[in-house]
Amino acid sequence: EDKVVQSPLSLVVHEGDTVTLNCSYEVTNFRSLLWYKQEKKAPTFLFMLTSSGIEKKSGRLSSILDKKELFSILNITATQTGDSAVYLCAVRLTSGTYKYIFGTGTRLKVLA
Amino acid sequence: NAGVTQTPKFRILKIGQSMTLQCAQDMNHNYMYWYRQDPGMGLKLIYYSVGAGITDKGEVPNGYNVSRSTTEDFPLRLELAAPSQTSVYFCASSPSGTSGTDTQYFGPGTRLTVL
Repeated sequence: EDKVVQSPLSLVVHEGDTVTLNCSYEVTNFRSLLWYKQEKKAPTFLFMLTSSGIEKKSGRLSSILDKKELFSILNITATQTGDSAVYLCAVRLTSGTYKYIFGTGTRLKVLA
Repeated sequence: NAGVTQTPKFRILKIGQSMTLQCAQDMNHNYMYWYRQDPGMGLKLIYYSVGAGITDKGEVPNGYNVSRSTTEDFPLRLELAAPSQTSVYFCASSPSGTSGTDTQYFGPGTRLTVL
């Protein structure tokens, strides 16, 4: 059975801290891995990763994929209260279905 | 572009009632999806469609039905609502697998309560 597991489930940090969120997967027919941010509404897209070892960056956020060890990390440096959200990891499959399998998410709370 | 739109935003149903959640996208995406999200949980796939006239079950299809008569619209039908269907429902769309991008676009969600 295809699955995506995120850790930790929740995290509380103070402003300025750096956090690392983890996503591991076991799927047959991997195509890509995506990270989303969800703040009490619809998820918004952060990154799409398809190749191992190539870091994607956007401001204070960065992410990298390891296709050999089947995991990805999302780093947030110099956290701000506006980073408080649930971060979702999803894997898109191939072989005709192109479905997405989501993890349960990591709930991040950043304290002022 | 309006992106992905969903109606209604909120709904309360009584046990045994039926309703249709509407979803439309104006990005000419072939792929559309329905998810439910229970409190503190990730997204569970209910049904998906790879094009007009083609639908398939996801992880949790029981109690739901879908149709896809046009590229733009993908309604989700709940028959005989049960309290276990209380959840937030998200519709999403994405380009086809040959487009080079896998970004999925989400609607704003429908919060459904079954009492």
